[in-house]
Amino acid sequence: DADVTQTPRNRITKTGKRIMLECSQTKGHDRMYWYRQDPGLGLRLIYYSFDVKDINKGEISDGYSVSRQAQAKFSLSLESAIPNQTALYFCATSDPNEKLFFGSGTQLSVL
Amino acid sequence: DQQVKQNSPSLSVQEGRISILNCDYTNSMFDYFLWYKKYPAEGPTFLISISSIKDKNEDGRFTVFLNKSAKHLSLHIVPSQPGDSAVYFCAASPYSGGGADGLTFGKGTHLIIQP
Repeated sequence: DADVTQTPRNRITKTGKRIMLECSQTKGHDRMYWYRQDPGLGLRLIYYSFDVKDINKGEISDGYSVSRQAQAKFSLSLESAIPNQTALYFCATSDPNEKLFFGSGTQLSVL
Repeated sequence: DQQVKQNSPSLSVQEGRISILNCDYTNSMFDYFLWYKKYPAEGPTFLISISSIKDKNEDGRFTVFLNKSAKHLSLHIVPSQPGDSAVYFCAASPYSGGGADGLTFGKGTHLIIQP
């Protein structure tokens, strides 16, 4: 089984819909992250959490919210999806260093 | 403004030859550098890292070189193998051990190994 599991793997939704992307990990790490990858733009940090009570905005948090339900679970929500949120989303975990362990990604398309 | 630049979107190398992937950065506060490798339909995976106190770090076929004065690092893969075909991301952090929240990623270079 994967150390970091993301669901769903693919999702197509319509503008204005609320959508949640889920992430769970079995590595026992306290730190979890949500990234977004766009073609030609690399990986950009949306939100991160150092423990259940600690949530922080990343570089591009506008239009997104997160919930850290437990040490192992970190979900990303789009309250009202818009087309420019079409992207590949990655959840990741880390030790207290920069070595990230990524999930396989969720390809989201907003029509 | 891009703080970590990978100016080659793609690179094609013949199997068995050396692959050299380049990365430039502008923030002089960056102190720790990493390379991640990504296959299609998978998440990136950590490949190799280097601290600013070193100018070279080696792990098997992979070597990362750091030139702080030029704000430049490079990843060398010798010899290149078909399984090395992937997208490679350069990343930089202003501190080591401070967490990945400080990481800035480049846009990636798609390495293609030709048989």
